[in-house]
Amino acid sequence: DAMVIQNPRYQVTQFGKPVTLSCSQTLNHNVMYWYQQKSSQAPKLLFHYYDKDFNNEADTPDNFQSRRPNTSFCFLDIRSPGLGDTAMYLCATSTPGLAGGGETQYFGPGTRLLVL
Amino acid sequence: RKEVEQDPGPFNVPEGATVAFNCTYSNSASQSFFWYRQDCRKEPKLLMSVYSSGNEDGRFTAQLNRASQYISLLIRDSKLSDSATYLCAVTPRTRGGNKLTFGTGTQLKVEL
Repeated sequence: DAMVIQNPRYQVTQFGKPVTLSCSQTLNHNVMYWYQQKSSQAPKLLFHYYDKDFNNEADTPDNFQSRRPNTSFCFLDIRSPGLGDTAMYLCATSTPGLAGGGETQYFGPGTRLLVL
Repeated sequence: RKEVEQDPGPFNVPEGATVAFNCTYSNSASQSFFWYRQDCRKEPKLLMSVYSSGNEDGRFTAQLNRASQYISLLIRDSKLSDSATYLCAVTPRTRGGNKLTFGTGTQLKVEL
């Protein structure tokens, strides 16, 4: 059963043409994350939502924005993609444990973005 | 210094071998530790959490050494299907969700 769904799975866009990636979850988790993973590199956290609270990583470029209209959906908007934004974009969800940490993150299958 | 460091490998081992990976982390406030497996062009999948006392799941054993700030993963009786990249990940204690910091991964190739 699909738990974290990402669409599209593959996206090709032109330099500077805005693109939106979507993530949905059936787990009813409070927290949703967006990671960027470039070839042969570690996944890098861009931002996350705890319910409606948005938490941006300090080094995430302004070119990357996110929206979470409800618990189930989260979007990643890239306003003006550059060649360096070619990567896999991973969405993940989690729900806080009783101790406030240590909970499992469930990843979606990712969206492979190619900027030409 | 990177927050989480791993030997990228690749580790090429014969089927049936025992192989061990280490991962060091720089933030002494890190509270939770994980090993993920990532197949080529797929998403990371949780292999196991790492507990202070160490934990075992079948052929896989994870250990945590807080004093030296490293975690390890031991795979016994390697199978061809174990070929993948193994990512370690750590999180600090935070409110409002875990912020996983990943290593770049260690590539394992199990051969006949």
